[in-house]
Amino acid sequence: GNSVTQMEGPVTLSEEAFLTINCTYTATGYPSLFWYVQYPGEGLQLLLKATKADDKGSNKGFEATYRKETTSFHLEKGSVQVSDSAVYFCALQDEKLTFGTGTRLTIIP
Amino acid sequence: DTAVSQTPKYLVTQMGNDKSIKCEQNLGHDTMYWYKQDSKKFLKIMFSYNNKELIINETVPNRFSPKSPDKAHLNLHINSLELGDSAVYFCASSQGTILYGYTFGSGTRLTVV
Repeated sequence: GNSVTQMEGPVTLSEEAFLTINCTYTATGYPSLFWYVQYPGEGLQLLLKATKADDKGSNKGFEATYRKETTSFHLEKGSVQVSDSAVYFCALQDEKLTFGTGTRLTIIP
Repeated sequence: DTAVSQTPKYLVTQMGNDKSIKCEQNLGHDTMYWYKQDSKKFLKIMFSYNNKELIINETVPNRFSPKSPDKAHLNLHINSLELGDSAVYFCASSQGTILYGYTFGSGTRLTVV
């Protein structure tokens, strides 16, 4: 079956540091790929998406590129802020949305 | 206007009780879902309905029963609550294609004591 493996957390960075959260997937067919973010005490918000190979999703300074050859969808941001502290979920969708285990990110001033 | 709304936000109840969680979406989506998030933040799909018809039913105890009176509503009823049912339950909806992802509600934190 389909699965998503993402970097174990927690991840702690200083403000303005570069962020990478790794995500790889296993899927049959051609799924869409997503990153969702969950701020403390809230639901999940769609951060960005890519629907086919080599697509780059971007939003709020975050980027991720759908790499079919490496089955990866790594999340990156050039300069993180304290307000980016949250749990980040990588997910793939074919007939249903399947999530990775989540990575807790804490940014310290 | 909240796109996907769930009630209640918090639910504390004793073991053995029966409880319901309600979900409504005003996005005009055809498909709705229930997910369970455990204490380690792991998210697992429980059920999916498309236009009132059950299409996904993962391995969930029979004590959990979803009901969809119309395509804008998907409720979750839980019988004989157990300690292990404590979790955050999220409702979501989608347009039914793989292009747009899901829109999630803000969650219901269920605590069984």
